[in-house]
Amino acid sequence: DAGVTQSPTHLIKTRGQHVTLRCSPISGHKSVSWYQQVLGQGPQFIFQYYEKEERGRGNFPDRFSARQFPNYSSELNVNALLLGDSALYLCASSLQGAGEQYFGPGTRLTVT
Amino acid sequence: GQQVMQIPQYQHVQEGEDFTTYCNSSTTLSNIQWYKQRPGGHPVFLIQLVKSGEVKKQKRLTFQFGEAKKNSSLHITATQTTDVGTYFCAADSGNTGKLIFGQGTTLQVKP
Repeated sequence: DAGVTQSPTHLIKTRGQHVTLRCSPISGHKSVSWYQQVLGQGPQFIFQYYEKEERGRGNFPDRFSARQFPNYSSELNVNALLLGDSALYLCASSLQGAGEQYFGPGTRLTVT
Repeated sequence: GQQVMQIPQYQHVQEGEDFTTYCNSSTTLSNIQWYKQRPGGHPVFLIQLVKSGEVKKQKRLTFQFGEAKKNSSLHITATQTTDVGTYFCAADSGNTGKLIFGQGTTLQVKP
């Protein structure tokens, strides 16, 4: 079975632009979470979705938004990019939210 | 808000030596998870601890959950070069899957 997939792998954007990152969970998993990992730090929770409903939101500004589709895939959108948004964005899926999280390879976003 | 502190930040050992990383939470946890991230990779789940005082072993890895469910440790016996990476603890205070990660301990193993 395929693991969690994310696209694109790498992305370079300019300050002020917006970006959309995509994630496909493991087949059968209904929950998707998004994390931001800045170099040298642990992942920081951004959003969790379960059955297309937002279940939780971390301490991120409203420039960050997400949604989950009927096929359980998810998008993370970031508007008005700042240099500080440069990071590895990780998607994790799980069966119902709690428990073991399966992380995707991540999208490396660089904002210049 | 909830904080998870992990020490040490870095650890360099000679192959064959033991290694331990410690994790402390400011609040009582429903469970704690441990992940390993290889350089350039993504976090990979190692284990979840749920019960107070729980001890679990995976080959050379031993995981402990404190009696008060506020701290945890990961001990690796006789490290190998394949153990290289960053080890993260991740706290789940409400058993929701919304994880608060520690800063990680990066392990380097000299052959």
